[in-house]
Amino acid sequence: AQSVTQLDSQVPVFEEAPVELRCNYSSSVSVYLFWYVQYPNQGLQLLLKYLSGSTLVKGINGFEAEFNKSQTSFHLRKPSVHISDTAEYFCAVSKRGGNKLTFGTGTQLKVEL
Amino acid sequence: EAGVTQFPSHSVIEKGQTVTLRCDPISGHDNLYWYRRVMGKEIKFLLHFVKESKQDESGMPNNRFLAERTGGTYSTLKVQPAELEDSGVYFCASSQEAGPPNFGAGTRLSVL
Repeated sequence: AQSVTQLDSQVPVFEEAPVELRCNYSSSVSVYLFWYVQYPNQGLQLLLKYLSGSTLVKGINGFEAEFNKSQTSFHLRKPSVHISDTAEYFCAVSKRGGNKLTFGTGTQLKVEL
Repeated sequence: EAGVTQFPSHSVIEKGQTVTLRCDPISGHDNLYWYRRVMGKEIKFLLHFVKESKQDESGMPNNRFLAERTGGTYSTLKVQPAELEDSGVYFCASSQEAGPPNFGAGTRLSVL
C-alpha cells in the first residue's frame, strides 16, 4: 500500500515570491507521482507527473517538481507565484503501472498582494 | 473534447433518503473511477471500472453504496439510504489504458 503526507495544510505567500509545497510518500514498490490542482469551484486538474526518466519534472503554469527517491519526496515549486495560483494542491501516488491514486490531504495555497 | 461531466453539482438530502450521482467520462475512456473527499480529509478511492466491469471496488465504504456502468459508458453511484457521514465531494475520473485520470468537477453531497 502507498501513503502520501502533505505536512502543510495552508501556505500563505506574497505575489511574485517563490513557493514550495511539500510532499512525502511511502511505498514498498516503485511508484508514479502526481500533483493535481483544484481551483475554486472546479475539478481536479493535472499539474505534472513523474513516471520515469529525469527527476525534475516541469508542468503547466510554471510549476515544477523534483522526485527524490532517497528522501521519498516530490516537492512542488514555483519561482514566482501569481494571484491566480491561489488554489488547493494535491500530491498523489500510484504503484508503477497501476491506476489507483492515493492522495495526500491537500495544501491550500493562498497568494496575497 | 468534452471533459468528465458530473451531475448534479450539488445535492442536499435528508438522512435515510436515496441519492444517485451520475458521471459521463471522456468519450473513448474505458477506465472510470469514483473517489470521495470527506470534509478536511484526503481524497479516497472508491472503485474502478474497466468498461462495464468492476475492476476494483476495495474502497467502497459499505453495501449502502452501489455503482453501475451499464454499457461501459456513463456511470451512476447510488447511496441508499444516505447517512450523515456520507456527506462530502464525490469525484469521477476517467482515463485511457495508460495515463493519469482526468477528473470531473465533483458532486457535493450534503446529508442533513
